[in-house]
Amino acid sequence: ETGVTQTPRHLVMGMTNKKSLKCEQHLGHNAMYWYKQSAKKPLELMFVYNFKEQTENNSVPSRFSPECPNSSHLFLHLHTLQPEDSALYLCASSRLDNEQFFGPGTRLTVL
Amino acid sequence: GDSVTQMEGPVTLSEEAFLTINCTYTATGYPSLFWYVQYPGEGLQLLLKATKADDKGSNKGFEATYRKETTSFHLEKGSVQVSDSAVYFCALRNPRNSGGSNYKLTFGKGTLLTVNP
Repeated sequence: ETGVTQTPRHLVMGMTNKKSLKCEQHLGHNAMYWYKQSAKKPLELMFVYNFKEQTENNSVPSRFSPECPNSSHLFLHLHTLQPEDSALYLCASSRLDNEQFFGPGTRLTVL
Repeated sequence: GDSVTQMEGPVTLSEEAFLTINCTYTATGYPSLFWYVQYPGEGLQLLLKATKADDKGSNKGFEATYRKETTSFHLEKGSVQVSDSAVYFCALRNPRNSGGSNYKLTFGKGTLLTVNP
């Protein structure tokens, strides 16, 4: 248990669906991250939020829409996804310049 | 840009064998280096880190030394256990190249380790 929780743990959706991934951290951290983990590829940083402000968008397609209402919660809204978006989506949090703590991930399958 | 290269897996060992997973990096300046571990069905956990040249990170019997002259951060353990079976990721953080976010991590592709009884 790292103090970072993600829901749901598994999600299957069609290409026309709209769904959201949720991440919550109970560590008092100020920075939160979304990563994509695909088979045989390095982890890809998608978004970074620092004190609720987005500080990085790593050329992510607009069908992925992040939301950070406060320092403890992070969402990833999904719509009109493609099968190649199937992956493990990991959330992480940290204090400034300190180690990142990862959640268990959401395994997403797009049909 | 920054990059991390780690040895291709999978690596299969018998219990109590010696483990080495090679990791080399390319980065300007003075990055911090990390090893993360991902057990089946879980997220990544920080295993150890080193923030400057010649530092040795260690945890749970694992060690890695930050070698600037060879740009390497190889992971070693003298005697592996079945419970060490996991995917291991080498990563770096380079504040010089992080732009607006000082916390961006660059990961290697990961190395799957399987330890048999």
